[in-house]
Amino acid sequence: AQSVAQPEDQVNVAEGNPLTVKCTYSVSGNPYLFWYVQYPNRGLQFLLKYITGDNLVKGSYGFEAEFNKSQTSFHLKKPSALVSDSALYFCAVRDLGDYKLSFGAGTTVTVRA
Amino acid sequence: DGGITQSPKYLFRKEGQNVTLSCEQNLNHDAMYWYRQDPGQGLRLIYYSQIVNDFQKGDIAEGYSVSREKKESFPLTVTSAQKNPTAFYLCASSIGVAGRLNTGELFFGEGSRLTVL
Repeated sequence: AQSVAQPEDQVNVAEGNPLTVKCTYSVSGNPYLFWYVQYPNRGLQFLLKYITGDNLVKGSYGFEAEFNKSQTSFHLKKPSALVSDSALYFCAVRDLGDYKLSFGAGTTVTVRA
Repeated sequence: DGGITQSPKYLFRKEGQNVTLSCEQNLNHDAMYWYRQDPGQGLRLIYYSQIVNDFQKGDIAEGYSVSREKKESFPLTVTSAQKNPTAFYLCASSIGVAGRLNTGELFFGEGSRLTVL
């Protein structure tokens, strides 16, 4: 079985400060990891993914994520947050042997001006 | 532009009525999915289809039905048997069955919000 945990329901940061959204996962084999962002009443937009290779993955809108196998984590980061980054963020995982994605409960990010 | 189109965006239903949500994609993707989103619960898989004329139940299939008669279309029917149908419904697609070379990345529609009156 595969699962994802996003331990923080909400993250609040000031504009210009670093932003981190935490994610831990559980899979039986090698994980495929994804981050998506959702704006109110909209669908999910893909940000980035980790499949294999470099543990630091760069994605859209200046976001990056670091894969840590020993800690089974895949935290999303942005060096300098913008007010427009305020949204709901989802981490998702898929085991190599399963093509269904399992999503975390989501983290609401609020960036204040 | 390629993408996934869901309709209607907002839908109101009286108790006891069946409703059908439309999902059409022109990405030439083999696999399609329906998710339900409730506040604080993330996304839960209702049904998925890997190929035409074939589909499987997800984690919360009770009270829902689907069909996959065409590659481009994967409509979801919310039946009167669904006890709490008020939710945001998301359709998604992916290239195909995921494997070592296919990461299974999902592409989402804009969603349909169903409210039961």
